[in-house]
Amino acid sequence: GAVVSQHPSWVICKSGTSVKIECRSLDFQATTMFWYRQFPKQSLMLMATSNEGSKATYEQGVEKDKFLINHASLTLSTLTVTSAHPEDSSFYICSARKHGGSVEQFFGPGTRLTVL
Amino acid sequence: DAKTTQPPSMDCAEGRAANLPCNHSTISGNEYVYWYRQIHSQGPQYIIHGLKNNETNEMASLIITEDRKSSTLILPHATLRDTAVYYCIVRPRTSNTGTASKLTFGTGTRLQVTL
Repeated sequence: GAVVSQHPSWVICKSGTSVKIECRSLDFQATTMFWYRQFPKQSLMLMATSNEGSKATYEQGVEKDKFLINHASLTLSTLTVTSAHPEDSSFYICSARKHGGSVEQFFGPGTRLTVL
Repeated sequence: DAKTTQPPSMDCAEGRAANLPCNHSTISGNEYVYWYRQIHSQGPQYIIHGLKNNETNEMASLIITEDRKSSTLILPHATLRDTAVYYCIVRPRTSNTGTASKLTFGTGTRLQVTL
């Protein structure tokens, strides 16, 4: 168990448009989900932490109005990149923490975003 | 969370053991050592974790020094599919809030397994 999926796996969009990325925990309930961003040849950087039913907590330097996070249920979190620009092109990865105590995170396969 | 130090890259011949070191000299008593790996263009994959005893699972073994200031991840028989970036992370195991759940990824060790 503990499978996390992301959709889409890749997306190409025009500059100025918005893109929504979904993160789902398929076989468990996730109290907390995390969104990371990874630029080429760099490590993962945490963008925000979202808890079901409450507002996301953003890391320093991450614009909350640009990266909208919704965690409406225990199995789904969405990240919307608003007014995307080429510098937003990156690999976006989500992870989910199971409901109840342990801090283990289970990662999705990632979404490759390319903004033209 | 305590900071970790890993070599940027390592090579290993297929079939041989890969020993990946990690220094975590500032680790505190309630922090565990976690290892994840990331194969190119995929999400990170959990490998193993431990507190102070050596641990083994179907993927790897984790050897933690007695003073807990360093550890070694051992892949006993490396294959080409083990080529990945390996991350060593230390943090508390349990939390009722999001803070201790955060994973801080360093630069990791890029392991290249060759024929």
